[in-house]
Amino acid sequence: GENVEQHPSTLSVQEGDSAVIKCTYSDSASNYFPWYKQELGKGPQLIIDIRSNVGEKKDQRIAVTLNKTAKHFSLHITETQPEDSAVYFCANNAGGTSYGKLTFGQGTILTVHP
Amino acid sequence: GAGVSQSPSNKVTEKGKDVELRCDPISGHTALYWYRQSLGQGLEFLIYFQGNSAPDKSGLPSDRFSAERTGGSVSTLTIQRTQQEDSAVYLCASSLGSGLETQYFGPGTRLLVL
Repeated sequence: GENVEQHPSTLSVQEGDSAVIKCTYSDSASNYFPWYKQELGKGPQLIIDIRSNVGEKKDQRIAVTLNKTAKHFSLHITETQPEDSAVYFCANNAGGTSYGKLTFGQGTILTVHP
Repeated sequence: GAGVSQSPSNKVTEKGKDVELRCDPISGHTALYWYRQSLGQGLEFLIYFQGNSAPDKSGLPSDRFSAERTGGSVSTLTIQRTQQEDSAVYLCASSLGSGLETQYFGPGTRLLVL
């Protein structure tokens, strides 16, 4: 089945620095790549997503890049703030399904130090 | 407006007992998903509902797991004869339509099987 590898597992940065999280996948049929943020005791929340017909998407301090040839995609957070501290998950639509059957990475614990 | 709600928030049960987990999706959302999140792991897809039917049950780990959805709204995930390996957080998500749309997650039910 589909496998999504996410790195690093933990990331510690100083406030104002940038943070980058990378994911690789194996299923070439995947065409939807969302990123979720999960705070302690809460369910994941979508922060940005990208589809296979574009290579980059930005939303204020958050950006995602996709390289379909290399089968990897990355999350970039600029000017990090303490409230960005959370667990971040990448995901894709397993088997290229037209519905939201998602395969998730193992997660990255991001800590932003004031 | 109200988000996705799940109940109970926590459940402790003894090995061999049956448990029922409930999900109330956002009103009007036709798609509903169940995922399982084991300690320190990413989310694992269990089942997908479109309306009251479940076209994809491929993630259910065994025949002890079943789910239903009634009235195109509330869903119940039932685990029969619980085992210790069933201990996890069970998350429910809903989306407006059946395509690759934003999934809104509930806070989850933490299940502990003793």
